[in-house]
Amino acid sequence: DGGITQSPKYLFRKEGQNVTLSCEQNLNHDAMYWYRQDPGQGLRLIYYSQIVNDFQKGDIAEGYSVSREKKESFPLTVTSAQKNPTAFYLCASRTRGAYTDTQYFGPGTRLTVL
Amino acid sequence: DQQVKQNSPSLSVQEGRISILNCDYTNSMFDYFLWYKKYPAEGPTFLISISSIKDKNEDGRFTVFLNKSAKHLSLHIVPSQPGDSAVYFCAARGTSYDKVIFGPGTSLSVIP
Repeated sequence: DGGITQSPKYLFRKEGQNVTLSCEQNLNHDAMYWYRQDPGQGLRLIYYSQIVNDFQKGDIAEGYSVSREKKESFPLTVTSAQKNPTAFYLCASRTRGAYTDTQYFGPGTRLTVL
Repeated sequence: DQQVKQNSPSLSVQEGRISILNCDYTNSMFDYFLWYKKYPAEGPTFLISISSIKDKNEDGRFTVFLNKSAKHLSLHIVPSQPGDSAVYFCAARGTSYDKVIFGPGTSLSVIP
């Protein structure tokens, strides 16, 4: 089945530790995105990548880092510099055609900092 | 500065009636709009989209209307079903085409 997988579903981290969230897609999409959702809020863009070996900061990139070494994979590292990392993290890939433009989301990772 | 606004955080509708979710945007250069539906602890799923060259797009029970002069779009769900209870996000394609800007969402509750 084609789709986007994120792992793990739930993640607990001690304060001061870095943690990496996995995102894999087999949809052959060039573009991938990381969003953060906080309770009662919308989706805020952390980082995005239009192509392998290239990525750009989104609206709230501070305290996060990414890599895009393969088309299928776009891992997100939440560093100890992120002041409020507890949130629901969503990865997406995107396809654009002449008359379409759609993002497909993974199931999300709930990160809790203890 | 919010470029995509959904001013109603929540909405309750009786089963079988029409649900109307509203969205306003500030940038007249946006040319493509999408609606996503999200259940708790899951990723959003694409629902319906509309290009700025159209004013209406329909897919089954879901219809999106676009009023470019008012910079306003709406999602109509008819008839509403309990399974439609979810958070609905309005989104617009950014002018540089490299990202999509999401609104804060509206939580819809369909009451049986």
